Amino acid sequence: NAGVTQTPKFRILKIGQSMTLQCAQDMNHNYMYWYRQDPGMGLKLIYYSVGAGITDKGEVPNGYNVSRSTTEYFPLRLELAAPSQTSVYFCASSGQGRNQPQHFGDGTRLSIL
Amino acid sequence: KNEVEQSPQNLTAQEGEFITINCSYSVGISALHWLQQHPGGGIVSLFMLSSGKKKHGRLIATINIQEKHSSLHITASHPRDSAVYICAVNRGAQKLVFGQGTRLTINP
Repeated sequence: NAGVTQTPKFRILKIGQSMTLQCAQDMNHNYMYWYRQDPGMGLKLIYYSVGAGITDKGEVPNGYNVSRSTTEYFPLRLELAAPSQTSVYFCASSGQGRNQPQHFGDGTRLSIL
Repeated sequence: KNEVEQSPQNLTAQEGEFITINCSYSVGISALHWLQQHPGGGIVSLFMLSSGKKKHGRLIATINIQEKHSSLHITASHPRDSAVYICAVNRGAQKLVFGQGTRLTINP
């Protein structure tokens, strides 16, 4: 009963490095999302996908890229890490249909030094 | 001004007290969600509602669409209820807009 699985849980990067945050879901959900959560702030949508091969920008997409080649996986790529990208990142998924609840992963805590 | 505002931002209470957390929003919505985030960081969906009231155990959520307001109540609060409670609204296409969260601490 895995739900949404994110890896890694923690990571420290140097400025300018790149990395991919992994997200997988086993619920056959069409919708997947990437959020970032900064201290004292609400979650902000980075990118989302309504199905394999379809992605779109959210509120704060700059500095990130995504791909969705299959229903299960939705990786988030940071190309040139910057200190402003220090945050906790959450992946979520939801089923098709109006007003479905979102299921969240446990988060990835990322520090850029 | 944020589209979703929660109050209070922080709340400390004694075990057994009745807790109310409020959420106001300024836009049209199709549904409102209440989420719980424990100190370990994981986020769990508690309720999704578009009208009226829902109850699950000691938790009750209400929404008034006309007044653009929702409340989350906890009866007989317990230290294990200590968490951040997040209100979020559906603006369409399954995208959520989140409040900043209410940090609840229940002391024994």
